[in-house]
Amino acid sequence: GAVVSQHPSRVICKSGTSVKIECRSLDFQATTMFWYRQFPKKSLMLMATSNEGSKATYEQGVEKDKFLINHASLTLSTLTVTSAHPEDSSFYICSGTGPGVITDTQYFGPGTRLTVL
Amino acid sequence: DAKTTQPTSMDCAEGRAANLPCNHSTISGNEYVYWYRQIHSQGPQYIIHGLKNNETNEMASLIITEDRKSSTLILPHATLRDTAVYYCIVQGGSEKLVFGKGTKLTVNP
Repeated sequence: GAVVSQHPSRVICKSGTSVKIECRSLDFQATTMFWYRQFPKKSLMLMATSNEGSKATYEQGVEKDKFLINHASLTLSTLTVTSAHPEDSSFYICSGTGPGVITDTQYFGPGTRLTVL
Repeated sequence: DAKTTQPTSMDCAEGRAANLPCNHSTISGNEYVYWYRQIHSQGPQYIIHGLKNNETNEMASLIITEDRKSSTLILPHATLRDTAVYYCIVQGGSEKLVFGKGTKLTVNP
């Protein structure tokens, strides 16, 4: 199956700092990438959808100025959590889809666990 | 909101078949049934999907009822590594995935 990586796998930061998470599609071109977050014992919630070269579309209630998404290439998307606070602590997961994989099927990264102190 | 209903949890003996049901009574004609699973602290893994015909791949089989209002994911010989939360999701084309609570499958030795 298609492979998606994320870096870092876990990060701990101080409140008020910014954190960048990378999502890479390793063996396919991800024309569309998605960012989710998952709180403990909860299901995944979609944060935003990004198409390569375009601005991301954010879900209702997700602050676009706080969660900056860049999808500048067909294999890389980044999520930057700006001025992170403890309530942003969560498991962040990306996924991608595009030509060369099963149509409209999303392939997920392993996730990044963010802890804000 | 998720368009599917799944049991909260199920148990299965190692080596036996695991049959996970899913109800999707409001599914539209152009919507597919997707199954993903999430092992603890990992990203979801795609398993299988189908429109109306039964499907089989190296991981599982998907049985969709004729009226498409329900489906069953079958893991033919469950192993301990199959312990995970299984999500049944209805998706039309490039629509976003909406994850429900899924079924927590525990495979017991």
